[in-house]
Amino acid sequence: GAGVSQTPSNKVTEKGKYVELRCDPISGHTALYWYRQSLGQGPEFLIYFQGTGAADDSGLPNDRFFAVRPEGSVSTLKIQRTERGDSAVYLCASSLIQGETQYFGPGTRLLVL
Amino acid sequence: QKEVEQNSGPLSVPEGAIASLNCTYSDRGSQSFFWYRQYSGKSPELIMFIYSNGDKEDGRFTAQLNKASQYVSLLIRDSQPSDSATYLCAVSTGGFKTIFGAGTRLFVKA
Repeated sequence: GAGVSQTPSNKVTEKGKYVELRCDPISGHTALYWYRQSLGQGPEFLIYFQGTGAADDSGLPNDRFFAVRPEGSVSTLKIQRTERGDSAVYLCASSLIQGETQYFGPGTRLLVL
Repeated sequence: QKEVEQNSGPLSVPEGAIASLNCTYSDRGSQSFFWYRQYSGKSPELIMFIYSNGDKEDGRFTAQLNKASQYVSLLIRDSQPSDSATYLCAVSTGGFKTIFGAGTRLFVKA
């Protein structure tokens, strides 16, 4: 595809459940970023991948959050034992190389009831 | 102190006027500076980036960077109603972690 895609676009789950959010970056982009955005706030950095490895995961709020990018392309953000406070828009971005312009996907709106 | 600070606004300007958006950052090691525009319900899109002190112009947009003052701004000339959006300032350190401000809401009145 031409841009970053994210699935699902919306996810409603119950407190305590497990969710997976998927990001498909622009083809050829080696760097991939995950952010979380709450209403009225800017995107909050979660994790950054360079290739298959997590170069910086300092933004993950706790050990319930985990992300993988096994083949250096598609990435999955995994949230265990979801809490109501996890409700937000989860944004994925990719860039051709690290430090260059990031292109954002449309986001996944997660609602934890 | 927040790492990247912006006035939340809203900033209201008449059509055709200059809109001035400001941002300060705390990490003196920051190397790259970005302005993103975000329409309601949409994802951020890059408007401009700047790496060096001074001004950088692109069409109606001018980014200004002053590293000594840890200050970056965005000027929008001949503002249009379609410019009404939230403008996000983002700062990247050498480790390529990008920190966003909370954004400034801009309204351009027709």
